[in-house]
Amino acid sequence: GESVGLHLPTLSVQEGDNSIINCAYSNSASDYFIWYKQESGKGPQFIIDIRSNMDKRQGQRVTVLLNKTVKHLSLQIAATQPGDSAVYFCAENPRGSARQLTFGSGTQLTVLP
Amino acid sequence: KAGVTQTPRYLIKTRGQQVTLSCSPISGHRSVSWYQQTPGQGLQFLFEYFSETQRNKGNFPGRFSGRQFSNSRSEMNVSTLELGDSALYLCASSSGVQNIQYFGAGTRLSVL
Repeated sequence: GESVGLHLPTLSVQEGDNSIINCAYSNSASDYFIWYKQESGKGPQFIIDIRSNMDKRQGQRVTVLLNKTVKHLSLQIAATQPGDSAVYFCAENPRGSARQLTFGSGTQLTVLP
Repeated sequence: KAGVTQTPRYLIKTRGQQVTLSCSPISGHRSVSWYQQTPGQGLQFLFEYFSETQRNKGNFPGRFSGRQFSNSRSEMNVSTLELGDSALYLCASSSGVQNIQYFGAGTRLSVL
């Protein structure tokens, strides 16, 4: 993931619109990627994952796209709802590092009524 | 199926003390990982245990240690607490088959 810092990138979207959250990862040896959602006062909640042998994976209202050439990951949320407001983290798992995840700094998504 | 349970939820300690945090993984999960979350550094990997053995360790000082019991429950210990250890400590469990890590709600540690 990208370097961490005090300032979270933010994204505001209107309810019902689609959201796209981007993430750049750093380790070309990473072969597994995962998106988490974290609401205030809670632990990260699994959203969707993708392996490096795939370019795209779809879940319920969510799609993850992986571009290994530029080491970029994106999470698309369709028909964003107020309950989607949270901080979203991408995480990478380098090959051979067991369950060690490296997290990005996160994006704060706010859904406007 | 019950999720990952972490106790206590909140803890207040003073500098120099030590603390032990507990994590009960999802039933059947044998891998337990620990992470530290702070506003400045984000989520950082501490260590991972599988079948009572530490498999991986992050870049933290030796004051941070952990262990896993035969029932897969895990504890982490921080000795000689420093102000900078104030953080949310998260535990995650996963099965041996999938890579997905499921997180608990965390233990909020405040060091005064």
